[in-house]
Amino acid sequence: DVKVTQSSRYLVKRTGEKVFLECVQDMDHENMFWYRQDPGLGLRLIYFSYDVKMKEKGDIPEGYSVSREKKERFSLILESASTNQTSMYLCASSRPRGAGEQYFGPGTRLTVT
Amino acid sequence: QKEVEQDPGPLSVPEGAIVSLNCTYSNSAFQYFMWYRQYSRKGPELLMYTYSSGNKEDGRFTAQVDKSSKYISLFIRDSQPSDSATYLCAFGGALNSGYSTLTFGKGTMLLVSP
Repeated sequence: DVKVTQSSRYLVKRTGEKVFLECVQDMDHENMFWYRQDPGLGLRLIYFSYDVKMKEKGDIPEGYSVSREKKERFSLILESASTNQTSMYLCASSRPRGAGEQYFGPGTRLTVT
Repeated sequence: QKEVEQDPGPLSVPEGAIVSLNCTYSNSAFQYFMWYRQYSRKGPELLMYTYSSGNKEDGRFTAQVDKSSKYISLFIRDSQPSDSATYLCAFGGALNSGYSTLTFGKGTMLLVSP
């Protein structure tokens, strides 16, 4: 059974803090993705990675960075958290070919105060 | 024109009803068509996907694709309160999307009352 796990379900951080969100998948997938999801705006792609140490900007990369040192792990970093980064963050993974169906983690609800 | 359009709902139905959820899309290059279900405060889970026009059935769920009209549907038969969730359509396989990214609809909230 496919599995994507995220390090925290709920997180509360203060403005200006550096925040790390971790994602691990056990499906040996090459592709990994970070999204944020906000009411009325749907899923928005922040960054994705198609191989170890490779990354591509998504639609809204500003204020975020990522790290992928191992195939199974993809980290999202908020360099200096701001209140407008309060959101639900979702990690996903997929194989590089075929339908490209993505498998999601349970999400991290981040609140920045 | 938005690439994907999906009515946000909520769509409220009584238990046992047949539910129809729909998305329209504009990119004729999409080759794969998916439906995800997302319960409140959880991550989306893949329900089913197809790559051809026509119907694909899985238990109480039927996915329908009409490429000529750029329209996809998800039908749920004998709906249950446990089907109450947000349903997202997703599209993939367009050669210009690169690296297997998907394009998602914003989701339709479904409420099934007992």
